[in-house]
Amino acid sequence: QKEVEQDPGPLSVPEGAIVSLNCTYSNSAFQYFMWYRQYSRKGPELLMYTYSSGNKEDGRFTAQVDKSSKYISLFIRDSQPSDSATYLCAMTSSNTGKLIFGQGTTLQVKP
Amino acid sequence: ETGVTQTPRHLVMGMTNKKSLKCEQHLGHNAMYWYKQSAKKPLELMFVYNFKEQTENNSVPSRFSPECPNSSHLFLHLHTLQPEDSALYLCASSQGFGDSGNTIYFGEGSWLTVV
Repeated sequence: QKEVEQDPGPLSVPEGAIVSLNCTYSNSAFQYFMWYRQYSRKGPELLMYTYSSGNKEDGRFTAQVDKSSKYISLFIRDSQPSDSATYLCAMTSSNTGKLIFGQGTTLQVKP
Repeated sequence: ETGVTQTPRHLVMGMTNKKSLKCEQHLGHNAMYWYKQSAKKPLELMFVYNFKEQTENNSVPSRFSPECPNSSHLFLHLHTLQPEDSALYLCASSQGFGDSGNTIYFGEGSWLTVV
């Protein structure tokens, strides 16, 4: 079983839709959770960072962590064509500091 | 501009060639990383350097040889590679390694094709 599972997609939505991206994980020691966005032929850029359980909002983006279910989500409101990218979840425990990445979900927002 | 610069951006090399990838970070970070990104696979951590000392080698074949002369520069020396080594190689840095889940910043990557 992979430590982090993420549906690779592709996910295609119309402009303005609410997008939900998700990851599940198996290691209960994970405490730090991140979402990276990666445009085609570019390096990943940090989008959201959360510690432990709860929600964090930044503009149109909301990151949600449910440690009891070992499930994290990224919501994008009013999605735009410029949001078309691959979204990578990543997580780590405080012990190792090693980031474990999901496979990434490819999102396409159609005008 | 992420503060992590990688060169070259694209590299094509034969299986008998020797080449190097270079990474420089301008963020004052102490930890630097090499990751490999292949199609349809998660990012794979290859090497970690913390304060110039290698702290992680994720069972990477010896045809990949890292070098970290100081906290701002990281190299990946490549020799006798195989076609399956073709991938995007990402350099990254963070303030520290371990402890409080230090945020990692990535470069744009070096696209490597082995022919």
